[in-house]
Amino acid sequence: QKEVEQNSGPLSVPEGAIASLNCTYSDRGSQSFFWYRQYSGKSPELIMFIYSNGDKEDGRFTAQLNKASQYVSLLIRDSQPSDSATYLCAVTPSGGYNKLIFGAGTRLAVHP
Amino acid sequence: EAQVTQNPRYLITVTGKKLTVTCSQNMNHEYMSWYRQDPGLGLRQIYYSMNVEVTDKGDVPEGYKVSRKEKRNFPLILESPSPNQTSLYFCASQGQSNSPLHFGNGTRLTVT
Repeated sequence: QKEVEQNSGPLSVPEGAIASLNCTYSDRGSQSFFWYRQYSGKSPELIMFIYSNGDKEDGRFTAQLNKASQYVSLLIRDSQPSDSATYLCAVTPSGGYNKLIFGAGTRLAVHP
Repeated sequence: EAQVTQNPRYLITVTGKKLTVTCSQNMNHEYMSWYRQDPGLGLRQIYYSMNVEVTDKGDVPEGYKVSRKEKRNFPLILESPSPNQTSLYFCASQGQSNSPLHFGNGTRLTVT
């Protein structure tokens, strides 16, 4: 069973700090990696996607991918209370481009 | 506005009473899929479709049916719902394989 693992949290950070969210995956052949944000009772919304090893930055968000270690992370700089949500890591498995394997999510709480 | 529309948002039914959850997208996407979300388990794919009249099982297809008669619509059918199908359901579309998913607003189903 191909798996995506995330710490369920909650991860609590003060406003203005950097939040670091981590994700590991078991399928070494995975090619595409996504981070979604989900507010309680709402649908997931795409934050970042990354396909290549290294860092990808978009505003306050940075996705980091290390395929050798099968590890992907999301950094949120200058965290705001509005960033409080559950963050879902998702991976396209090898040979399965029409599906994503999701982690159970990490709950982030940003306190003023 | 590009969107995926699901209906209804909330549905309470009884065991064995057939129901259909509708899903429609206006982005001309070829790929559509259904996921269910349960606490601690994350999002799991039920069925997906690569094009009109082309559908295939995801990870948890038992008890569900789908159809894709038109490109924009992908309804989810529960012929005989059971309490273990109580869950939060999301329809999603993709422009291309391996690209991010666009989610509908979700349908919270309760089967008593």
